[in-house]
Amino acid sequence: DTAVSQTPKYLVTQMGNDKSIKCEQNLGHDTMYWYKQDSKKFLKIMFSYNNKELIINETVPNRFSPKSPDKAHLNLHINSLELGDSAVYFCASSQVVKAGGQFFGPGTRLTVL
Amino acid sequence: SQQGEEDPQALSIQEGENATMNCSYKTSINNLQWYRQNSGRGLVHLILIRSNEREKHSGRLRVTLDTSKKSSSLLITASRAADTASYFCATDEGTGANSKLTFGKGITLSVRP
Repeated sequence: DTAVSQTPKYLVTQMGNDKSIKCEQNLGHDTMYWYKQDSKKFLKIMFSYNNKELIINETVPNRFSPKSPDKAHLNLHINSLELGDSAVYFCASSQVVKAGGQFFGPGTRLTVL
Repeated sequence: SQQGEEDPQALSIQEGENATMNCSYKTSINNLQWYRQNSGRGLVHLILIRSNEREKHSGRLRVTLDTSKKSSSLLITASRAADTASYFCATDEGTGANSKLTFGKGITLSVRP
């Protein structure tokens, strides 16, 4: 059983395009996150949602818009893609009451040409 | 901004040896977590140590935390080739729904068979 899944796994697109990445978790967690990992493996949080409410918005350009239709899903839409957006994007989830660490998805490698 | 700084950046050992990785951070924390990332995969939560704990064990893993020195160490005993991966420390300064992980740059561990 996949705990945190993301689609697509790979995304190659042209500059200026708009794209979406989807994330789903079947763990019953109440909090979901988006992270960006750059080419040097540096991992930085972008957003977190708790029970569909935006909690963390970490100075991300407003071209990035997360949407959480329900507690099990957190999607990321990116408008007007730029070369610097090329990275691996990870979705994660956790149950904040348990404070037992976050569960990460397999990642989406985005390449902007 | 980056919080955790791991040391060394890369470590190569023989199977069966112990691997020690260190992490330093700058601000007060609620807890500190260690994650493993295999090449091309998502992060896997290994262990969480709270700010009022000094040492924690999980299988072949031993984590220590010294809040006065703002540092932590991860010891992997009797290493195996399958332990080859990148290891990240992450500090959590928030609580509950405001939990926010700040990751270090990671340590690349290579275990030679």
